[in-house]
Amino acid sequence: EIVLTQSPATLSLSPGERATLSCRASHSVSSHLAWYQQKFGHAPRLLIYGASTRLPGIPARFSGSGSGTDFTLTISSLEPDDFAVYYCQQRMNWPRTFGQGTKVEIK
Amino acid sequence: EVQLVESGGGLVQPGGSLRLYCEASGFTFSDHWMSWVRQAPGKGLEWVVNIKEDGSEKNYVDSVKGRFTISRDNAKSSLFLQMNSLRAEDTAVYFCAGAPNPNYLDYWGQGTLVTVSS
Repeated sequence: EIVLTQSPATLSLSPGERATLSCRASHSVSSHLAWYQQKFGHAPRLLIYGASTRLPGIPARFSGSGSGTDFTLTISSLEPDDFAVYYCQQRMNWPRTFGQGTKVEIK
Repeated sequence: EVQLVESGGGLVQPGGSLRLYCEASGFTFSDHWMSWVRQAPGKGLEWVVNIKEDGSEKNYVDSVKGRFTISRDNAKSSLFLQMNSLRAEDTAVYFCAGAPNPNYLDYWGQGTLVTVSS
């Protein structure tokens, strides 16, 4: 099983600031990585797949990068709606696994 | 508009059974892989099982193999999860999710809570 480790666990930032979230895989997943956003009490929402491809409708302030074992989700300028928990997920093999999440909270 | 609506959750005793349902609309159900993903209270996400468009392929996480069974009825755009021999650690919100491939999860329901407790 591929283990995904996200850091930091919590990121305290102000609106307008840049958020940088990390996801590290225990084995290479090539570019087979996605990012989801989950707000409290809601289902997750797929933001990015293939490490860097945004879904239609996802704002350009969200960007993904990386390959192999190290990945980054960057939110260039935080909007109030962006404060949530973010999960990475690999599709390299089964079982598909998620990271434990990074909470982006308002400072 | 894509909609996935789960039902069937509730309180069950350890060792008991429960059947979850997911009704889909707004997309061609028979062209999509479907999955169940769970989230224990205050915890992260766990992809439990997925099923191919025609039901010919299913993949289970080890912790539920032999206890959970996924199935689908494409004529009724419905997904099911039969859960037997339930344990306390199965307590979670169970999300129904779908995608045109087995790789990621594009569509999500609102979830149904399963509580396993005596």
